[in-house]
Amino acid sequence: SQQGEEDPQALSIQEGENATMNCSYKTSINNLQWYRQNSGRGLVHLILIRSNEREKHSGRLRVTLDTSKKSSSLLITASRAADTASYFCARGMDSSYKLIFGSGTRLLVRP
Amino acid sequence: DTAVSQTPKYLVTQMGNDKSIKCEQNLGHDTMYWYKQDSKKFLKIMFSYNNKELIINETVPNRFSPKSPDKAHLNLHINSLELGDSAVYFCASSRTASNTEAFFGQGTRLTVV
Repeated sequence: SQQGEEDPQALSIQEGENATMNCSYKTSINNLQWYRQNSGRGLVHLILIRSNEREKHSGRLRVTLDTSKKSSSLLITASRAADTASYFCARGMDSSYKLIFGSGTRLLVRP
Repeated sequence: DTAVSQTPKYLVTQMGNDKSIKCEQNLGHDTMYWYKQDSKKFLKIMFSYNNKELIINETVPNRFSPKSPDKAHLNLHINSLELGDSAVYFCASSRTASNTEAFFGQGTRLTVV
């Protein structure tokens, strides 16, 4: 399947803890993106990391990319109840215009 | 101002009917997409247009036909609706076709009964 694999499928943490989500893929990419989807809403872009970058930060978000292992991780530090959502990685393919989404991680942050 | 807007938000219809979903973006983007999200939250690309030209046409039934009258609009027409078409359909746009950041609409929840 071209779709990436994300793990865990679901994650439940206490407010204030850190949340780490992982994304693995099989084919070469030119970038990898992370999106958030709140229940019943559209996806919102969080961060894009290019294939020649290893780490990127945006506020409480930290994304890493290891192209040798074909994997990426999204770390949310000091989580808040408002971070409760599904998080998707999406791969910008090297060989096409497609943006291929993973299966998502459902994050629940308990107050 | 809503960047990517799609209508309707909810659509309940009977099997065999024909329906359309409309999408408009006011971001000045060149590229627009239709995605389908199933009940397990898998998000799969269906079509993409770049400057009104079809550039991605995934393996979807030919009952689904996209139409892009101009680069700010991408509509999805579905003929002879089937139960399995029930899903949430998302429109999205990006500045270019080169895998840049995508902006999504709020989705259209289609229920076929």
